[in-house]
Amino acid sequence: NAGVTQTPKFQVLKTGQSMTLQCAQDMNHEYMSWYRQDPGMGLRLIHYSVGAGITDQGEVPNGYNVSRSTTEDFPLRLLSAAPSQTSVYFCASSYSTYNSPLHFGNGTRLTVT
Amino acid sequence: AQTVTQSQPEMSVQEAETVTLSCTYDTSESDYYLFWYKQPPSRQMILVIRQEAYKQQNATENRFSVNFQKAAKSFSLKISDSQLGDAAMYFCAYRAPGTSGSRLTFGEGTQLTVNP
Repeated sequence: NAGVTQTPKFQVLKTGQSMTLQCAQDMNHEYMSWYRQDPGMGLRLIHYSVGAGITDQGEVPNGYNVSRSTTEDFPLRLLSAAPSQTSVYFCASSYSTYNSPLHFGNGTRLTVT
Repeated sequence: AQTVTQSQPEMSVQEAETVTLSCTYDTSESDYYLFWYKQPPSRQMILVIRQEAYKQQNATENRFSVNFQKAAKSFSLKISDSQLGDAAMYFCAYRAPGTSGSRLTFGEGTQLTVNP
């Protein structure tokens, strides 16, 4: 049971480049989400999905796109990378009931120069 | 909107001693769950303990326990007999029922150092 698989682990981009962070889970979780972690700010929600075909914005969605074509996959796209997007990104999944803890991927450290 | 506040950016404790990490939250909901996550230097996010708002009994997991004060909206984490492996960033998080798939809101984190 792999849990939440997130790739890549590290990435360096130049300003203006685009890329996709991949996330897959094998636990049949309805809820998937992307967070960014910045020093002193905890984890902030970027986008989330409550099921295939359904996505919504979180707290800091600007500059990011998501789609959810299957239950398993929830990629995060950076359209035109900016230095302000330098951060650690986490994908997480859970059942959508509020008593369910999130299961996290191992994170991607992204640096935009 | 719900907010979660961890007022201690850094804490330190001697090995084998006890330390308490603070967390307060703001909500108008009556039913919700609270979580503590641990993030060691490996960056992995690990669930430490969780508490349902309707349960008056404080949750306990081995050396980890919480002091849940619903009226005060406080949810502190007590680590007993601290070990070197407890050194990590600790995040408090809140989750409530809702049509938004129950979004999780995190605090800013507390960096815990364990001194030998």
